[in-house]
Amino acid sequence: SYELTQPPSVSVSPGQTARITCSGDALPKKYAYWYQQKSGQAPVLVIYEDSKRPSGIPERFSGSSSGTMATLTISGAQVEDEADYYCYSTDSSGNHRGVFGGGTKLTVL
Amino acid sequence: QVQLVESGGGLVKPGGSLRLSCAASGFTFSDYYMSWIRQAPGKGLEWVSYISSSGSTIYYADSVKGRFTISRDNAKNSLYLQMNSLRAEDTAVYYCASMLKVNGPPFPYYWGQGTLVTVSS
Repeated sequence: SYELTQPPSVSVSPGQTARITCSGDALPKKYAYWYQQKSGQAPVLVIYEDSKRPSGIPERFSGSSSGTMATLTISGAQVEDEADYYCYSTDSSGNHRGVFGGGTKLTVL
Repeated sequence: QVQLVESGGGLVKPGGSLRLSCAASGFTFSDYYMSWIRQAPGKGLEWVSYISSSGSTIYYADSVKGRFTISRDNAKNSLYLQMNSLRAEDTAVYYCASMLKVNGPPFPYYWGQGTLVTVSS
């Protein structure tokens, strides 16, 4: 089955740039999406279709994708950005079955 | 504003059944694909199933195929997940999510707060 691979954890100091990667063989042909999940809350979409930001998401969140890797970048990370981040995409079968990466715990301190 | 409210979770014995519901409001439910996504305690997100706006297209994760059935009632603005032959590994918070389509395939957009399903003897 198709898999998306993320690092388990990333740690930065406030104001630094955090980068979270997601690798998958189908990413050259499939969009990547990113979700933020704070403790005890439902996930929130922060990036869709590789690099687009939904309304209400701060500009410090950006996304990019090249080859088999997608990257979520948080420029000037804030303490309130501390959360689990999940990438999402669809498999290459053409039926749009979804798959999530294992998640990355972002620590900002 | 968009609201998705899941219900129907609880404690069930292995091999048992449970039916989850998701009540939608604040948007035209019949226009949107919908999905179920779950999260085992302390674990990551797992996509479970989605259903097209009309109900004509349905897909499942391999882990639940043949045991779970997704359905919807557009007249009642409701999404359902019938779960049969439940296993301990099905223990999770189950989220319903509305899906948005822009340029690519539909993707989870708004999420409910989830309902906990515990499978244990």
